Amino acid sequence: GESVGLHLPTLSVQEGDNSIINCAYSNSASDYFIWYKQESGKGPQFIIDIRSNMDKRQGQRVTVLLNKTVKHLSLQIAATQPGDSAVYFCAETGYSTLTFGKGTMLLVSP
Amino acid sequence: DGGITQSPKYLFRKEGQNVTLSCEQNLNHDAMYWYRQDPGQGLRLIYYSQIVNDFQKGDIAEGYSVSREKKESFPLTVTSAQKNPTAFYLCASSSAGASYEQYFGPGTRLTVT
Repeated sequence: GESVGLHLPTLSVQEGDNSIINCAYSNSASDYFIWYKQESGKGPQFIIDIRSNMDKRQGQRVTVLLNKTVKHLSLQIAATQPGDSAVYFCAETGYSTLTFGKGTMLLVSP
Repeated sequence: DGGITQSPKYLFRKEGQNVTLSCEQNLNHDAMYWYRQDPGQGLRLIYYSQIVNDFQKGDIAEGYSVSREKKESFPLTVTSAQKNPTAFYLCASSSAGASYEQYFGPGTRLTVT
C-alpha cells in the first residue's frame, strides 16, 4: 500500500461533544463495514459493524452511517469522553479478509 | 480468560536473523490472520489461514512465512529477506466465514537493528 507518512488525520473535541469520524471506502462490492478503536500500543478493538444492505446502525453511544452512493462511512460518537481518545479505523470486507483504512486520531480534552 | 495472546510484547533482533512471533487463541476460531502496522498507518495483511494446514498470502507476504499445524496457533516468522522488519505486528482470529468480526491480540513490537 502507499505510504502516507507518520501523521494521521486528527479530530480534537471537548468532552461531552459529539464526534464524527469519516471514512471513504474503495470496493463497492464489500459486504460488511466495520469500525475499530485502537489505543496506543494495543490491538484494535471492534466497535460496531454494518452490512451493505443497511444505511444506519446504532450501538451504545455510537452510530454508523453508510452511504453507498458516494462510498462513504461515518462513525458518530455521542457525548465523547476522554476514554474515547484513540485511533479509529474503518475496514471493509473482501472475499475472506478485511481491508483497513489509514485511521483517524480522536483527541478528547476534559 | 479467553482471547488471543501474542508473545513477547517487545522483541529486539539483529539484522540478518530470522525471528518467530507467537500467536495463540482459545476462541475455537478457524481463521487466523497476521497484520503489520507502521507508525501512522493502517493495518496491512501479511498472511491468513482459514483452516489448519492451509494458509494464503496477503498483500505484503514477501519476507515472511507462517505455519498452521494446530487450530490454536499461527506463528509468523520474519525472515532476513524482509527489508524493513521493524514494525508492530498484530494477530487476529475469526470464526469461519466471519472475517468481518476479527478479534485482535495485543501485538508484538519488533525492532531490528
